[in-house]
This record gives sequence, C-alpha cells and structure tokens, in this order.
Amino acid sequence: GNSVTQMEGPVTLSEEAFLTINCTYTATGYPSLFWYVQYPGEGLQLLLKATKADDKGSNKGFEATYRKETTSFHLEKGSVQVSDSAVYFCALSGGDYKLSFGAGTTVTVRA
Amino acid sequence: GAVVSQHPSRVICKSGTSVKIECRSLDFQATTMFWYRQFPKKSLMLMATSNEGSKATYEQGVEKDKFLINHASLTLSTLTVTSAHPEDSSFYICSAQGGSYYTFGSGTRLTVV
Repeated sequence: GNSVTQMEGPVTLSEEAFLTINCTYTATGYPSLFWYVQYPGEGLQLLLKATKADDKGSNKGFEATYRKETTSFHLEKGSVQVSDSAVYFCALSGGDYKLSFGAGTTVTVRA
Repeated sequence: GAVVSQHPSRVICKSGTSVKIECRSLDFQATTMFWYRQFPKKSLMLMATSNEGSKATYEQGVEKDKFLINHASLTLSTLTVTSAHPEDSSFYICSAQGGSYYTFGSGTRLTVV
C-alpha cells in the first residue's frame, strides 16, 4: 500500500534559518505528492504539490521537488519567519484519490 | 479558491449524546468527501470516504454505526458521532475532492464530557 515517512521533529529554528523537512514515500504507480501546513487550531491548507516526476512545487518561499529515483519530496525554505511556525504534513495521492499522510513535523521559528 | 466550510468549529457534548458535523463545499461540487480524525500531535487518520448519493466506505477499524456519514448532495456531507464517549474526543477534519484537488475544512474540536 501507499505510505509516507517524514522527519517527525520537532524542529526549532531561528528566524532566517534554512529549513528542510525530509519526506519519502512508497507507492504503486505514479502518485501525486503534496505538502500541507496546519497552523494552531486550524485545518490543513495546501502548501504546494507536484503531480509528476521532476516537477517542483513552490509557494510562499517553500519548494519541493518530486524525485522518483529517490522516492522523495523534501520540503525546503531558504529563510524562515516566525509566521512559518506550524505543523507540516507530507502526503501522497494514488489512483484511488485517497490521501496518505506522514506523521507531521512541528516547526517552531524563534525570533 | 475552493473553500470548504466546516461547522461547528468546537463542540462540547455529554457522554451518550450525538453530535453532527457539517462540511459544505462553497464554490465547487465535491464528488467525494473524506473524513479524518486527528489525535493530539499525530497525523490524520482517514475514517471514511463518501460519494454523493451512495453509502460511505469506511476504513478498517472504524465503526460505521458509530460514525454515520451522509453525503446527500454534491456540496454537503455530514458526520454524526452517535452515543459519543470521552474516547471519541478528537479533532475531526473533512476534505472535499473536486476535480484534481482536495480542500480541507477548518476542523471540529469535539470534547465529550
């Protein structure tokens, strides 16, 4: 079956630091890959996505590249802000349209 | 962009009572709705998948008689937690699929006392 493994954290950074959250997946076929962000007390918001190999998703300074050869979709941001403090979920969707989520990574950015 | 409205955002109920959670897709037709449960500091667990006009498909280990799902229209799905108990306290989130994208509701924090 489909599964997602991501770095659990928690991750604590200083403002303007570089952020990387690793995500690898197991899936049959050609899944779509997503990163979702959850701010405290809120639901999930789509951060970025990629639907095929070598696609790069980007949004709000975050980037992730769909690497089929390493089955990875690592999230990166070059300079984080306090407002980036949240829980980040890596997810994939296969042919059945169900989303499989990673465990989530809590990121705290300190001023 | 696509919006899913989920209500209520918070609810406290007495043990043994039932609670209904609504999810509406406001500007698109949701062919499929997904219901998730999230435990504290844990990832989302898919509970069930519902398609408009048909019975929901429940994931293994989820009691269909306890978590009643109705997807009566392309814009509305409801989850009813029946005879709620304290162990049902959790964060419930819906997700609507319209076309190739998924949109999440803002979640419902259920506390059963």
